[in-house]
Amino acid sequence: QVQLQESGPGLVKPSQTLSLTCTVSGGSITSGSWYWSWIRQPAGKGLEWIGRMNTRGSTDYNPSLKSRVTISVDTSKNQFSLKLSSMTAADTAMYFCARESRGRFHLLYSTYYYYYMDVWGKGTTVTVSS
Amino acid sequence: QSVLTQPPSTSGTPGQRVSISCSGDSSNIGSNPVNWYQQFPGTAPKLLIYSNNQRPSGVSDRFSGSKSGTSASLAISGLQSEDEADYYCAAWDDSLNGHWVFGGGTKVTVL
Repeated sequence: QVQLQESGPGLVKPSQTLSLTCTVSGGSITSGSWYWSWIRQPAGKGLEWIGRMNTRGSTDYNPSLKSRVTISVDTSKNQFSLKLSSMTAADTAMYFCARESRGRFHLLYSTYYYYYMDVWGKGTTVTVSS
Repeated sequence: QSVLTQPPSTSGTPGQRVSISCSGDSSNIGSNPVNWYQQFPGTAPKLLIYSNNQRPSGVSDRFSGSKSGTSASLAISGLQSEDEADYYCAAWDDSLNGHWVFGGGTKVTVL
């Protein structure tokens, strides 16, 4: 089955750009109607969605982070990546990557789609400190 | 401050039924399906319920979800010690070009 694995530096200096990669194994990143997402979680706190991208290049970002976030996909490596600029201590968190699968249902003469994050990486801890 | 509102904690004794609420508004829960995730300390979240009330393969039927208007609910029946975890609701929010929003999480304690 599909597995995800995050990788990247565990320590980033303030004002620097964080670069994380999520490697997809057990399946092709392009073989479905999926989105590929990043989510983070500060220690002892809740989940915060960062953004997502599909392999057709469509992206969506958290409005509160949009100015600092770039998500990209490298289909040749079966990976997708996160870049978060101007890092501060507030960005210290566990960062997860996840796959969003799509389902659909029909109602009257319309088709509706819904998404859910069904495969998650184990997460990688990122600390922002000088 | 999370967009979706959940109680910080709830508890029950083994065998009891507990329920977790998730409150949103017309741009998220009122317009889109709700997903629920279960998370144990130090691990990644796991999909528990999707599209309001659908269970992924392998999830116990003791977990059930429902939605009405701008609120959703997760119920755990026959509470077991292994259910002690954090639970998060999530929904797509149609405002500001669209984005996922999560609840703040509910810690379930088995007494």
